[in-house]
Amino acid sequence: GAGVSQSPRYKVAKRGQDVALRCDPISGHVSLFWYQQALGQGPEFLTYFQNEAQLDKSGLPSDRFFAERPEGSVSTLKIQRTQQEDSAVYLCASSPWTQDNEQFFGPGTRLTVL
Amino acid sequence: AQSVSQHNHHVILSEAASLELGCNYSYGGTVNLFWYVQYPGQHLQLLLKYFSGDPLVKGIKGFEAEFIKSKFSFNLRKPSVQWSDTAEYFCAVNRVTGGGNKLTFGTGTQLKVEL
Repeated sequence: GAGVSQSPRYKVAKRGQDVALRCDPISGHVSLFWYQQALGQGPEFLTYFQNEAQLDKSGLPSDRFFAERPEGSVSTLKIQRTQQEDSAVYLCASSPWTQDNEQFFGPGTRLTVL
Repeated sequence: AQSVSQHNHHVILSEAASLELGCNYSYGGTVNLFWYVQYPGQHLQLLLKYFSGDPLVKGIKGFEAEFIKSKFSFNLRKPSVQWSDTAEYFCAVNRVTGGGNKLTFGTGTQLKVEL
């Protein structure tokens, strides 16, 4: 079946612009995660949804970062007034509602802020 | 704060050599442990996972890992690497109690296998 998809794959933004990154999880997956991966680092947790409920947003680095999943499927990560330090790969992962909490990752969106 | 350490950032091996990549974590409670791999140009894929039971777990492509609770370690091994194993390898930990479902990753190990 189809895996997790993300769009766009690449995004270049001028500092101060707003961006929106989309994630389509695997159909039927209840849990959805966003991670940020800076160059040379491992992914770092941003936020987590169970269906449409955002249960954990402890990893969001500032109030410029906002995520939503209004219907419990597609999710959007929005970054307002982008800064150079926001340049990274943003990864989305989804997981079924089972005790097995393996997360399935998408290809990521590479954001470059100039 | 929970952290995950991968001690080898870059490893270069010849084909058929044995591989061991170290992973240590700092959390003392019950954890689930994972190794993910990212091949060039591809997304993160699960290699293997440990939830409970036999501490020696086997994954895809001949990889295995051993959970040693007393050492807070989950090292990845493969007896004989192939050129196609060239990739970046990430260890990840999930706290079963109080940590939600999020994964904490190590910084990754870049493995290059030479012919």
